[in-house]
Amino acid sequence: AQSVTQLGSHVSVSEGALVLLRCNYSSSVPPYLFWYVQYPNQGLQLLLKYTSAATLVKGINGFEAEFKKSETSFHLTKPSAHMSDAAEYFCAVSGGGAQKLVFGQGTRLTINP
Amino acid sequence: EAGVAQSPRYKIIEKRQSVAFWCNPISGHATLYWYQQILGQGPKLLIQFQNNGVVDDSQLPKDRFSAERLKGVDSTLKIQPAKLEDSAVYLCASSPRAGRDSPLHFGNGTRLTVT
Repeated sequence: AQSVTQLGSHVSVSEGALVLLRCNYSSSVPPYLFWYVQYPNQGLQLLLKYTSAATLVKGINGFEAEFKKSETSFHLTKPSAHMSDAAEYFCAVSGGGAQKLVFGQGTRLTINP
Repeated sequence: EAGVAQSPRYKIIEKRQSVAFWCNPISGHATLYWYQQILGQGPKLLIQFQNNGVVDDSQLPKDRFSAERLKGVDSTLKIQPAKLEDSAVYLCASSPRAGRDSPLHFGNGTRLTVT
């Protein structure tokens, strides 16, 4: 079985500041890990994914995440926040056979001008 | 390419009524998913189809929920009868294949309110 814990349901940063969204996972097999973003009244959009290749993964819109097996973490970062980054972010893990994605509770990111 | 299409966008019904949602996946995508997203929570998988066969429906409340994917393309999700706790956004997603590394493409969802 697999699970995801996102630390902090709400994160607020100033425009231009570092964005750090935390995700810890649990999986009985080597995991595949994903970050999705959801803008208001829209579906989820893939930001990036880790599938056992490079541990530092670069995604769209300047986001990146680092897989740390020893810490069972997959935190999402962006060096400089932009107003357009305000959204809900979901970490997800796939540890099973036929791609069963399990999502975390989500972190709402607010950008202050 | 056209994205995943869902309809309706919004639906308000009274408890004990029935409701149906429709999804048209991206052309050529063999795998289709229905997720339930309750306010303040992450999406939860209800059912996964591979072509027109069910791969996983372990979290589908089968006493009231049903889903089908005729001809391996469009899909409908039905709730009968609805309960207050069914109020949520119902997301449809598709992917080219069922592999773990194949990302999901989501529609904009149907927001259901049960009063």
